[in-house]
Amino acid sequence: DAGITQSPRHKVTETGTPVTLRCHQTENHRYMYWYRQDPGHGLRLIHYSYGVKDTDKGEVSDGYSVSRSKTEDFLLTLESATSSQTSVYFCAIRRQGSDYEQYFGPGTRLTVT
Amino acid sequence: AQTVTQSQPEMSVQEAETVTLSCTYDTSESNYYLFWYKQPPSRQMILVIRQEAYKQQNATENRFSVNFQKAAKSFSLKISDSQLGDTAMYFCAFMIRANSKLTFGKGITLSVRP
Repeated sequence: DAGITQSPRHKVTETGTPVTLRCHQTENHRYMYWYRQDPGHGLRLIHYSYGVKDTDKGEVSDGYSVSRSKTEDFLLTLESATSSQTSVYFCAIRRQGSDYEQYFGPGTRLTVT
Repeated sequence: AQTVTQSQPEMSVQEAETVTLSCTYDTSESNYYLFWYKQPPSRQMILVIRQEAYKQQNATENRFSVNFQKAAKSFSLKISDSQLGDTAMYFCAFMIRANSKLTFGKGITLSVRP
């Protein structure tokens, strides 16, 4: 258990509405990541952060933004949700001194109708 | 760009037997890590095993071991003495040390039969 929580765990929203997912960690890790999981695609990196206010894009960043104003929280925002963003979203941290291992939160299932 | 290929969509094994899950990857980098993650029906992603590219010795964690063939860019996972709790989706993943971003394969569904 890497002390990672995600909220909400499930959400249903309508097309065009903004949505924010929260990832919270309790162990002061510097690196945090957001992935999405879709059938037939495995997990794909959306954005990641390497420190407070330091973020960068991943493989599938279009339509998403992130913010990290404090070490423990990494927020993922869908500015205007679309049905193609229906997915399971995972947050992960890279544990300090762990030789680059990433540990994942429990996931958030998002449905855009 | 790095790619990870898991060509077998699903496999089935009898309890107590051994099964091997295949993974190949493509990269021009020399300094990288490889991982296997397990995702049971609970959806939680669980790290199973890690291999550093610079190490020739294959990693082992209890019943789980890997066969790392660097020249062939192959990274297979062997599960010995399969248990019902091993039923899950297994993902192979690759990370370049310089950027610590994981690239995942599409996964393989493993079913362990009683």
